[in-house]
Amino acid sequence: GQNIDQPTEMTATEGAIVQINCTYQTSGFNGLFWYQQHAGEAPTFLSYNVLDGLEEKGRFSSFLSRSKGYSYLLLKELQMKDSASYLCAVIRNQAGTALIFGKGTTLSVSS
Amino acid sequence: KAGVTQTPRYLIKTRGQQVTLSCSPISGHRSVSWYQQTPGQGLQFLFEYFSETQRNKGNFPGRFSGRQFSNSRSEMNVSTLELGDSALYLCASSLDWQGAGNEQFFGPGTRLTVL
Repeated sequence: GQNIDQPTEMTATEGAIVQINCTYQTSGFNGLFWYQQHAGEAPTFLSYNVLDGLEEKGRFSSFLSRSKGYSYLLLKELQMKDSASYLCAVIRNQAGTALIFGKGTTLSVSS
Repeated sequence: KAGVTQTPRYLIKTRGQQVTLSCSPISGHRSVSWYQQTPGQGLQFLFEYFSETQRNKGNFPGRFSGRQFSNSRSEMNVSTLELGDSALYLCASSLDWQGAGNEQFFGPGTRLTVL
């Protein structure tokens, strides 16, 4: 079957660095997405990883290890506006369920 | 450039009825994906349409269907509504299909309540 696990909640303080982990078990892996969703709003695309390694985009970086079924999203220099839910999603290249989402990690940033 | 638009924004239906939701993607985008979001299940993928063809499909019953028109606008239909279909339905558009890893842009969603 397929499964994606993320921590339910995390807390951090402004200016800090936080790492949100995502582990997955799925066949036909074809890439992993990270999305950010503020309460009451639609998700916003953050990153897409298909090859092993680190992708950096400003304050946000995403890492993937396909052999370990593991990814993380790294947020640096945290700001209050980073308080949101962070969703990890895996895309499969097989027929049937193509995009599987984790339940999301709610990050609370305090001053 | 206009963003993704969804209509209607809010909808109230009763069990057994059917509903059609509409999504207009960003101009030039050929892929439209639909998602259901509930507090209990989180965000779940319904289906993706690309160039008028269903490209990918999630694990939802056949009561959920969709289509895409030549202008890339998409509709999804839910027949024989059940209470559990109450959710936020989101659509997202991208230049290429999901597997290409293009950025997806989400619409504001349609809040469906089934009584």
